[in-house]
Amino acid sequence: DVRMTQSPSSLSASVGDRVTITCRASRSISSYLNWYQQKPGKAPQLLMYAASTLQSGVPSRFSGSGSGTNFTLTISSLQPEDFATYYCQQSYSTLIFTFGPGTTVDIK
Amino acid sequence: EVQLLESGGGFVQPGGSLRLSCATSGFTFGSYAMGWIRQAPGKGLEWVSTINGKGDDTYYADSVKGRFIISRDGSDSTLSLQLNSLRAADTAVYFCARVSITFGGLIIYFDSWGQGTLVTVSS
Repeated sequence: DVRMTQSPSSLSASVGDRVTITCRASRSISSYLNWYQQKPGKAPQLLMYAASTLQSGVPSRFSGSGSGTNFTLTISSLQPEDFATYYCQQSYSTLIFTFGPGTTVDIK
Repeated sequence: EVQLLESGGGFVQPGGSLRLSCATSGFTFGSYAMGWIRQAPGKGLEWVSTINGKGDDTYYADSVKGRFIISRDGSDSTLSLQLNSLRAADTAVYFCARVSITFGGLIIYFDSWGQGTLVTVSS
């Protein structure tokens, strides 16, 4: 099974900051990596798929990169609505998925 | 507009059973794989199970294999999850989600989610 890790587990940042979240897979998953955002009490929402493709409607301040085992999600200029928990998820194994443990971004 | 609405959650004793449903609308149900993802209180997301569009191929997390059964009914566009032999560790909000498969089956992700239904397992 592919295991996913994320770092940091949480971070505090200010509006306007550049934020980077890292996700690592236990073995190569090519670019089969997705990112989700979840706000408290809400369902997760897809941000990005295939490591770097922005889902329709997601602001361009979000970007993703990486392949193999190392991936990053970057928010170029943090906005108030971006304070949330972010999860990576691998989809290398067809319809078997693994989520990372999450990274919570809160207000400094 | 794609809509997913879970129901069937509730309070159940350890060893008990529960059946969750996810009513869908706004898309051609049989053209999409569907999945269940859960989230224990204060914890992260855990993939539970997936079923292909035809309903003849199912996948389960090791933590629920042999206890949970995923199914789908194309006649009313409903996804179901039968939860058996429930344990305290199964306490969670259960989300249903639509699976989008593109680029010849290579790119797969959950593109729409329901709001979730809470299952509490306790004596």
